[in-house]
Amino acid sequence: EIVLTQSPGTLSLSPGGGATLSCRASQSVSSNYLAWYQQKPGQAPRLLIYAASSRATGIPDRFSGSGSGTDFTLTISRVEPEDFAVYYCQQYGSSYSFGQGTKLEIK
Amino acid sequence: QVQLVESGGGVVQPGRSLRLSCAASGFVFNTYAMHWVRQAPGTGLEWVAVIAYDGDKKYYTDSVKGRFTISRDNFKNTLYLQMNSLRPGDTAIYYCARAHTGGYQSWFDPWGQGTLVTVSS
Repeated sequence: EIVLTQSPGTLSLSPGGGATLSCRASQSVSSNYLAWYQQKPGQAPRLLIYAASSRATGIPDRFSGSGSGTDFTLTISRVEPEDFAVYYCQQYGSSYSFGQGTKLEIK
Repeated sequence: QVQLVESGGGVVQPGRSLRLSCAASGFVFNTYAMHWVRQAPGTGLEWVAVIAYDGDKKYYTDSVKGRFTISRDNFKNTLYLQMNSLRPGDTAIYYCARAHTGGYQSWFDPWGQGTLVTVSS
C-alpha cells in the first residue's frame, strides 16, 4: 500500500499570498498517477489536478501541480478568499490512497 | 450536466445492513468504472471499492472485504453499495465518484454530494 503524507497539516495565509502544499509517497507513484482535490466544509471533494500536473476543466490557472516519483507539490499563486479549504492528494497507480489533507486557513 | 446523487444513508445498529444507491445522469454510465469513497466525521478520505464499467471486476479496501458488495445496474444507471455486518467504525459520509475512464488507473471526477451512514446502538 502506498502511504501519502501531506505537509504542512495546516497552512495559515493571507489572501494574495502564495501557497505550497507537499505530498510525499512511501514509494514511487507509477506514471505520476497523482491527483489533487479541494474540499470545502459540507461539500464533496472537487478535482483540481490529475496526472500530477494537468489542471482539470474549469480550474483557474493559479492552481498548478508538479513533481514526480515520490514528491509532489500543489502550488496556489495569489490565494483567493474562495481557496481556503482542505486539500487532498491521491495516488491511483497502485490501488488508491489519499493523503491526510492540508487545511489552508485564513491568517 | 454530469450528476451523481447518493441515497440510502441513515442510522443503523451495529451488525445490521444498509444499501446505498448512486443515481447517475448526464453521461454514458456503462462506459465508466465507478467508486465508493468514505469520510468519517472530521477525518480524511478513504477509498472503499471500485467496479468495472461492465460490473465484471470489483475491488475493495481490506477493512470492508467480505462485508460490503459493490454492484451496478447499467440499465438503471445506478451504482450500489450493499453494507452488511456494519460496525461503528463504518460511520462516515459515503460518496460515489466516477472514474475518468472505464479502467482502474484513473482519477475521480465528479463526486456525488454524499450520504451519511451512522452505525450506533
